[in-house]
Amino acid sequence: ETGVTQTPRHLVMGMTNKKSLKCEQHLGHNAMYWYKQSAKKPLELMFVYSLEERVENNSVPSRFSPECPNSSHLFLHLHTLQPEDSALYLCASSQDSRGAYEQYFGPGTRLTVT
Amino acid sequence: QQQVKQSPQSLIVQKGGISIINCAYENTAFDYFPWYQQFPGKGPALLIAIRPDVSEKKEGRFTISFNKSAKQFSLHIMDSQPGDSATYFCAARDGNQFYFGTGTSLTVIP
Repeated sequence: ETGVTQTPRHLVMGMTNKKSLKCEQHLGHNAMYWYKQSAKKPLELMFVYSLEERVENNSVPSRFSPECPNSSHLFLHLHTLQPEDSALYLCASSQDSRGAYEQYFGPGTRLTVT
Repeated sequence: QQQVKQSPQSLIVQKGGISIINCAYENTAFDYFPWYQQFPGKGPALLIAIRPDVSEKKEGRFTISFNKSAKQFSLHIMDSQPGDSATYFCAARDGNQFYFGTGTSLTVIP
């Protein structure tokens, strides 16, 4: 595997379910990000982790809970979501969160909340 | 408030033509301006980027023009090809935050 991988690629869940999205980067980077991509809206940065420590949390509802056990893996735990949370969730990584400029994105998880 | 404004929302260009996508911003703290290309089913991929100390950067058929005083930058795709059909996003960086435009869906017709 190369680059940034995300699983699952598609997820349908009810509003009372609990599920998790997984991201893995094979680039040796130290920073990882979660973004939300909705149609006709800018990408929204949700969380930033640098060396496994959360450095940014852009006022994301508590029903989204990130976890970064090491610099290669990032999870997004989901519970009691709303239909408006349906979107493409993108993971990205970069060499670090401040000095490096280029972000590498995974293919995303298409989430549908019913 | 949207930090980076992108236009047009969609663009149709004939093969061989020039595609132009524009972005504008207000935050003078932005220090890096990348463009991303996204194909259906894929994540965005960095296409080309510029820093505010230069006015133009060219890589192959892709050129960024940057106007610091006007706080505008644009992507030009020369000799557009059907394989360029994708969604293009401009972005700007402030610290460890990236702010993205809303995207432009480009269709290049043969």
